[in-house]
Amino acid sequence: GNSVTQMEGPVTLSEEAFLTINCTYTATGYPSLFWYVQYPGEGLQLLLKATKADDKGSNKGFEATYRKETTSFHLEKGSVQVSDSAVYFCALRIQGGSEKLVFGKGTKLTVNP
Amino acid sequence: ETGVTQSPTHLIKTRGQQVTLRCSSQSGHNTVSWYQQALGQGPQFIFQYYREEENGRGNFPPRFSGLQFPNYSSELNVNALELDDSALYLCASSSDGGREKLFFGSGTQLSVL
Repeated sequence: GNSVTQMEGPVTLSEEAFLTINCTYTATGYPSLFWYVQYPGEGLQLLLKATKADDKGSNKGFEATYRKETTSFHLEKGSVQVSDSAVYFCALRIQGGSEKLVFGKGTKLTVNP
Repeated sequence: ETGVTQSPTHLIKTRGQQVTLRCSSQSGHNTVSWYQQALGQGPQFIFQYYREEENGRGNFPPRFSGLQFPNYSSELNVNALELDDSALYLCASSSDGGREKLFFGSGTQLSVL
């Protein structure tokens, strides 16, 4: 089946620290990969995506590269800010059918000043 | 601001009751998906509606049902509520059968006592 595994949280960093959140996936077929972010009291927002192997998604200083050989899509940011505190979800979507998203369990990030 | 609104924001029901959750999609979005997010978990796909017809269903029993209306609103109905139905319910709207970007609402927090 299709599944996503994220590193366990919570993650606590100081402002300007480097961030990595690991994500690996299992998929039957060729998935598109996504990172969503959920700020407190809000719905999920698309942060970035990649649709094929070796693609790099980037947005707001965050990056993730679609690695087919390691079935991974790790999220990175060089210098986090307090405003980045949120829950981050890795997700995949298999092309065709209902186009449903399969999510990981989420990783809570807290950035302290 | 995603343009997707859900109501109510919070709801308390007792076991065995029925509940209706509502979602208002962005204008022009012909696809709505519903997800269940249990505490500490990632969202799980319930079903998707495309142009008022069910277009895919996740691993949820038939007591979870939905409707989509021509005015870009939709409903999620749950009959015979169980304690494990306590969760955040998210709707997401999109165009073109869900292949385009999903816009999530802030969710309805359902507590079943």
